[in-house]
Amino acid sequence: DADVTQTPRNRITKTGKRIMLECSQTKGHDRMYWYRQDPGLGLRLIYYSFDVKDINKGEISDGYSVSRQAQAKFSLSLESAIPNQTALYFCATSDPGQAGWRTGELFFGEGSRLTVL
Amino acid sequence: AQSVTQLDSHVSVSEGTPVLLRCNYSSSYSPSLFWYVQHPNKGLQLLLKYTSAATLVKGINGFEAEFKKSETSFHLTKPSAHMSDAAEYFCVVSEGAGYSSASKIIFGSGTRLSIRP
Repeated sequence: DADVTQTPRNRITKTGKRIMLECSQTKGHDRMYWYRQDPGLGLRLIYYSFDVKDINKGEISDGYSVSRQAQAKFSLSLESAIPNQTALYFCATSDPGQAGWRTGELFFGEGSRLTVL
Repeated sequence: AQSVTQLDSHVSVSEGTPVLLRCNYSSSYSPSLFWYVQHPNKGLQLLLKYTSAATLVKGINGFEAEFKKSETSFHLTKPSAHMSDAAEYFCVVSEGAGYSSASKIIFGSGTRLSIRP
């Protein structure tokens, strides 16, 4: 079983619809992230959470919201989807460990491909 | 401010020949540097990482990278390409400058590696 699981893996929706992407992890990590991947742009950070009570905006948070329901669960919502939110979305986790906060090593889910028509 | 530049968006090599994927970075601090690989329809997987120990880093599947501070480079190499190496590769720089280090993880735009039979 995957350590970081994303659902759904694929979703097609229409402009204006509310969409939720879910992420759950069994790695026991406190830190969770949502990234967006677009061709030629690499991955860009949407939101991140260092624990259940700590949620922070990334570089492209406009149009998105998140919920950290538990240490193991981190959901990304698009309240009113628009076509330029069509992308591949990744959830990731990390473990600071003794010096892990400095290393930045991330563990990724397999991605959720979202198409907004 | 930190940044990372992958100098080639696409590299094509013949099976059995060497692979070179180029990455240059800019960082105000002593960075950690990573290479991740993404196979089609999969999440990103860590290939190798540099965290201020040995400058020549060996990773999985025969890949290695050398940290060259004077050239601000972290190029990824492999002596002999295999068909299974065909994938997207991302260079990542991380500055562990404090608790909010999630915002200091920057992805390159990616290099697509194709392997010719």
